[in-house]
Amino acid sequence: GDSVTQMEGPVTLSEEAFLTINCTYTATGYPSLFWYVQYPGEGLQLLLKATKADDKGSNKGFEATYRKETTSFHLEKGSVQVSDSAVYFCASSPKGGNKLTFGTGTQLKVEL
Amino acid sequence: GAVVSQHPSWVICKSGTSVKIECRSLDFQATTMFWYRQFPKQSLMLMATSNEGSKATYEQGVEKDKFLINHASLTLSTLTVTSAHPEDSSFYICSASFPGIHEQYFGPGTRLTVT
Repeated sequence: GDSVTQMEGPVTLSEEAFLTINCTYTATGYPSLFWYVQYPGEGLQLLLKATKADDKGSNKGFEATYRKETTSFHLEKGSVQVSDSAVYFCASSPKGGNKLTFGTGTQLKVEL
Repeated sequence: GAVVSQHPSWVICKSGTSVKIECRSLDFQATTMFWYRQFPKQSLMLMATSNEGSKATYEQGVEKDKFLINHASLTLSTLTVTSAHPEDSSFYICSASFPGIHEQYFGPGTRLTVT
């Protein structure tokens, strides 16, 4: 079945550091790919998504590019802020479907 | 827009009792709702998918007689954990979607502790 693998955390960075959270997927066909963010005490929020190869999703300074060749969807941000501290989940869903498969989540902590 | 609420946000119950968790879409009609379970430092595990007015579809390994799901209206789905045991203690999260939008909107979750 489909699966999503993302790097384990926690990840601790200083403010303004560069962030990369790796995510790879296995799926039949070409799924849609998502990054969700969960702030403390809140539900998951969609951060960005990409629906086909070479698409780049972006939001709030975060970016991720759908790489078919490497089956990856790594999350990046050039300069993190303390307010970015949260748990980040990579997820996939089959083409035309809405059933999500999640990675294990990566906790990010940004310090001053 | 697309706000989903859950009630209660946390609940403690005694072993052997049943507990009901509500999931509501506040500003849209949710034809499909999903129930997840999240263990500490682990991913969300899909338990079941429910469509309004029909029986829920449970994932493999999820006991449908233990985790009763009802999606009686377009804005409300309920998960009832029957005869709860300590191993049922977990964080339960619901999400909702509507036709044509391949995106799920998540509730804030419910922390269940069974003593």
